[in-house]
Amino acid sequence: NAGVTQTPKFRILKIGQSMTLQCTQDMNHNYMYWYRQDPGMGLKLIYYSVGAGITDKGEVPNGYNVSRSTTEDFPLRLELAAPSQTSVYFCASSYEPTYNEQFFGPGTRLTVL
Amino acid sequence: DQQVKQNSPSLSVQEGRISILNCDYTNSMFDYFLWYKKYPAEGPTFLISISSIKDKNEDGRFTVFLNKSAKHLSLHIVPSQPGDSAVYFCAASAQGSGTYKYIFGTGTRLKVLA
Repeated sequence: NAGVTQTPKFRILKIGQSMTLQCTQDMNHNYMYWYRQDPGMGLKLIYYSVGAGITDKGEVPNGYNVSRSTTEDFPLRLELAAPSQTSVYFCASSYEPTYNEQFFGPGTRLTVL
Repeated sequence: DQQVKQNSPSLSVQEGRISILNCDYTNSMFDYFLWYKKYPAEGPTFLISISSIKDKNEDGRFTVFLNKSAKHLSLHIVPSQPGDSAVYFCAASAQGSGTYKYIFGTGTRLKVLA
C-alpha cells in the first residue's frame, strides 16, 4: 500500500494563477481531509469529505475548492492564487471519522509570488 | 482563538532521559486526543491517542496522560532516543458532539541529544 500520495511535492505560482493539488489514497478510506500548515502554526482544516460526492468546509475554506468523484481521489483546487496561500498542504484520510487516527500524505509546499 | 495550545515551541533532552511534551486545551467538549510526530519534509504520523474516559494510555516508550479538570495532556517518552527528534503535534476533537474535525496545536520541536 502506498497510503496517501500527493502531487506535486513543490510548486511556485504567480499571483492570480490557478492549480490543482492532487491527493490519492489506496486504503479505501471514506473520509478525506485537506489541511494547510503555515510556519510556526498548527494544521488548519480547509475542506473534508465523508465519501464520494460529499464535501464540506473546514476552518479556512476561502480561496479553495474541492471535489470527490471517487473514493480514492480528493483534489484541492486553488483559483486566483494569492500570497496568503503560501503554505504546506497536507492531505489525510481515515477509515472512520470517530476515534481513529488520520493518515497523512507527505505534503505539497506551495509558494505564491 | 487557540483552542489547543502547545506553549513550548522546543525542547532538548539528553538521550536516555524522559521527554515530556505538554498540551493544553480550552474546549470542555473535546473528548478524543491524539499525538502526531512529524519529521521534516514528511507528513505527520500518528503516535498515540487517548479518549476522555481514560486518564492514561501507554504504548511502548510512549505514554499519554490526560487531566480533564486541568484541561491538560502530556506525552511522556521514556527513554528518549535520537530518532525521536521531530516536531510533535497534539490534536483534539469533540467526537461525542458529532464532529470529527480535529484542532491541532502549533507543535513542539523535540531534540534528543546523543
